[in-house]
Amino acid sequence: GNSVTQMEGPVTLSEEAFLTINCTYTATGYPSLFWYVQYPGEGLQLLLKATKADDKGSNKGFEATYRKETTSFHLEKGSVQVSDSAVYFCALRSGGATNKLIFGTGTLLAVQP
Amino acid sequence: DTGVSQDPRHKITKRGQNVTFRCDPISEHNRLYWYRQTLGQGPEFLTYFQNEAQLEKSRLLSDRFSAERPKGSFSTLEIQRTEQGDSAMYLCASSLSGGGRETQYFGPGTRLLVL
Repeated sequence: GNSVTQMEGPVTLSEEAFLTINCTYTATGYPSLFWYVQYPGEGLQLLLKATKADDKGSNKGFEATYRKETTSFHLEKGSVQVSDSAVYFCALRSGGATNKLIFGTGTLLAVQP
Repeated sequence: DTGVSQDPRHKITKRGQNVTFRCDPISEHNRLYWYRQTLGQGPEFLTYFQNEAQLEKSRLLSDRFSAERPKGSFSTLEIQRTEQGDSAMYLCASSLSGGGRETQYFGPGTRLLVL
């Protein structure tokens, strides 16, 4: 079945450090891929998405490239800020008859000043 | 555009009681989803509506759970005879059908604690 695997956290970085959060997926067909962010006490916010292979999603300095050959969608940011501290979820939507999102377990990012 | 809203934000109940949650989607969105998120986990799909029709239900949705979207606008999720294992964050999301470009937007969630 379809699934998403994320690197386990927590990830602790100093401000201005480079961030990578790994995400790989298993899916039939051609899924759309998403990164959502959840700040403490809040719901999920869409961070970025990619709908086909080689697409790059980007927002607020974050980027992720849809790599079909490695079934990956790793999240990167060149210089993190304290305000980026949150839980990050990778998700896929497999399309076809179902539109549900399948999420990874989330990765907690803590950025220290 | 006021986003997806959910009510209440928090609910504490005793085991065996019934609870009902409400979700108001973004006004022009025809699809509405419910997910459940337990501590330290990603959200898990529960059910999905297109307009007023409930098109898919997860195996997680036991007989004690029922969801409705009577006029294709707001939705309610009811849990009967609550159990401690029902304690979780219940998330609602909405979207506008559009093939591969469809994006789900989430509400703030209702956090349920069953004592």
